[in-house]
Amino acid sequence: SYVLTQPPSVSVAPGQTARITCEGNNIGGKSVHWYQQKPGQAPELVVYDDSDRPSGIPERFSGSNSGNTATLTIIRVEAGDEADFFCQVWDSDSDHFVFGTGTKVSVL
Amino acid sequence: QVHLVQSGGGSVKPGGSLRLSCAASGFSFSDYYMSWIRQAPGKGLEWVSFVNSGSGTILYYADSVKGRFTISRDNAKNSLFLQMNNVRPEDTAVYYCARDICNTNSCHHDNWGQGTLVTVSS
Repeated sequence: SYVLTQPPSVSVAPGQTARITCEGNNIGGKSVHWYQQKPGQAPELVVYDDSDRPSGIPERFSGSNSGNTATLTIIRVEAGDEADFFCQVWDSDSDHFVFGTGTKVSVL
Repeated sequence: QVHLVQSGGGSVKPGGSLRLSCAASGFSFSDYYMSWIRQAPGKGLEWVSFVNSGSGTILYYADSVKGRFTISRDNAKNSLFLQMNNVRPEDTAVYYCARDICNTNSCHHDNWGQGTLVTVSS
């Protein structure tokens, strides 16, 4: 089965840039989607199809995808961005959704 | 505005059954694929099941629930269901329903329900 690996945690100071990686075999050949989950809340889609943003998501959130790594970048990080982030792909070989292991973003 | 309101969670003994519901509003429910996703306490997200739009004849399941869980939809009632049979302690989780957007080679969950807790314990 397809596996997506994320770093368990990323720490960043307010106003700086956070980069969250999602590694998978030739993930650049798939579309990657990202979700933000704040404590006690349901996940929220923040980037889809590698780099598109749903309406209402700040331009500070952006995504890229190439080779074996997809990246979610958050610029000008704010305290309110503190959350767990999950990447996700559709694995057409198994007809399964696959989620990454998740990354906790802490704002120092 | 899209709303997904869940109900039906609770406590159940191992080997028992439970039915989760998800009431949709604010969009044409029958036109959309739908999924169930779960999250064990303190853990990550795990996709559980998927049903296609319309008559809902295309059904996919995670290996961990195949043969025990059944996804279904009632378009007349704008509702999605998950019938959980022969439950196990490892099925303990918050369960989310979600609306899916799919194109030729990719799907993602663009709106989520509020979640409902299922606890399996003797």
